[in-house]
Amino acid sequence: DQQVKQNSPSLSVQEGRISILNCDYTNSMFDYFLWYKKYPAEGPTFLISISSIKDKNEDGRFTVFLNKSAKHLSLHIVPSQPGDSAVYFCAASRNAGNMLTFGGGTRLMVKP
Amino acid sequence: GAGVSQTPSNKVTEKGKYVELRCDPISGHTALYWYRQSLGQGPEFLIYFQGTGAADDSGLPNDRFFAVRPEGSVSTLKIQRTERGDSAVYLCASSWGRTDTQYFGPGTRLTVL
Repeated sequence: DQQVKQNSPSLSVQEGRISILNCDYTNSMFDYFLWYKKYPAEGPTFLISISSIKDKNEDGRFTVFLNKSAKHLSLHIVPSQPGDSAVYFCAASRNAGNMLTFGGGTRLMVKP
Repeated sequence: GAGVSQTPSNKVTEKGKYVELRCDPISGHTALYWYRQSLGQGPEFLIYFQGTGAADDSGLPNDRFFAVRPEGSVSTLKIQRTERGDSAVYLCASSWGRTDTQYFGPGTRLTVL
């Protein structure tokens, strides 16, 4: 049973436009959510996180939105840049620590 | 400072052999995690250490898998009697404490022929 799902395996966006990556979860015990970015042959790199007591967190070009009632979160990248092309993983945990449960990833391609 | 390092970067072995994968966490990080990423999937949790002890090993798939962290720093993931299904990228992550951001190493790609 996949507790964290990213239903779009890939997304293509024009440089300068907004990229929106989506993630759904089923476990209502999750209270901390993260986005990681992964380039080929590298480990995942932390991007941004959000606690369940918030519905939005912003860091530069990256904003994460959390809709607890829908068990849905999204990552917005504005403006998108070619260097943002990577695989993005959404992850969730209980009590802001311990094991992370990851989604399957979305490959973002930003075209110049 | 230096990030999480993992050795070897690639390991090819034959079915039935024993392998050891090493993780060097960021200096001072007390929490250490192992994950496994199969092709086309997200990382899956294997085991978590707080200091020298395994605080949660619920993700280890079976008793062929074992991990140690004897001095609370470097960790070794050990796989006995490898099977083709063990082929994956094994990722290590560390953090200051249990509730802090996990920083990942580049992974070890294990191929079992």
